[in-house]
Amino acid sequence: QKEVEQDPGPLSVPEGAIVSLNCTYSNSAFQYFMWYRQYSRKGPELLMYTYSSGNKEDGRFTAQVDKSSKYISLFIRDSQPSDSATYLCAMSKGGSYIPTFGRGTSLIVHP
Amino acid sequence: EPEVTQTPSHQVTQMGQEVILRCVPISNHLYFYWYRQILGQKVEFLVSFYNNEISEKSEIFDDQFSVERPDGSNFTLKIRSTKLEDSAMYFCASSGIQGALENTGELFFGEGSRLTVL
Repeated sequence: QKEVEQDPGPLSVPEGAIVSLNCTYSNSAFQYFMWYRQYSRKGPELLMYTYSSGNKEDGRFTAQVDKSSKYISLFIRDSQPSDSATYLCAMSKGGSYIPTFGRGTSLIVHP
Repeated sequence: EPEVTQTPSHQVTQMGQEVILRCVPISNHLYFYWYRQILGQKVEFLVSFYNNEISEKSEIFDDQFSVERPDGSNFTLKIRSTKLEDSAMYFCASSGIQGALENTGELFFGEGSRLTVL
């Protein structure tokens, strides 16, 4: 079983839709959870960061962590064509701080 | 807003040649990283660097690779004898603000250096 699993998509939605992106993981030592957005041929850009379980909201983005299920989610409300990108989940352990990345999910928001 | 800068943006080289990729991390960060991403694949960790030495490295980071912080600002990745399979986008990242309680792993990435080995 891979440490971090993420469906590569692509996920295609109409503008204005609510998008749900997810990752599962196998290593219970992960404590820090991040979502990165990567546009084509660009570097990953940090979107959201959460520590341990719970929710965090930032504008149209909400990150959820459920450590009991080893499952993390990113919700995007009122999705826009400019949200079209690859979304990478990443997580790291306390003491190591080296994020392990998922494959990324390609999101396409069409007008 | 401070950012990580990388040069060159694209380098084409012949197999067996040495390549040096350069990065200027965010100035008040303490931890530096190299990741790579082969086209269509996931972002993979290569090496982390802290306090002027390697703190962790992956299986990918073999004897062909080395890192250096020669002057307190630049952070370089050297590939001694490139192979075809080294063709990838190489990302530099930095994290860990000086004085923070802990390094949480929030990495800030550069735009990447695309390496093409022929």
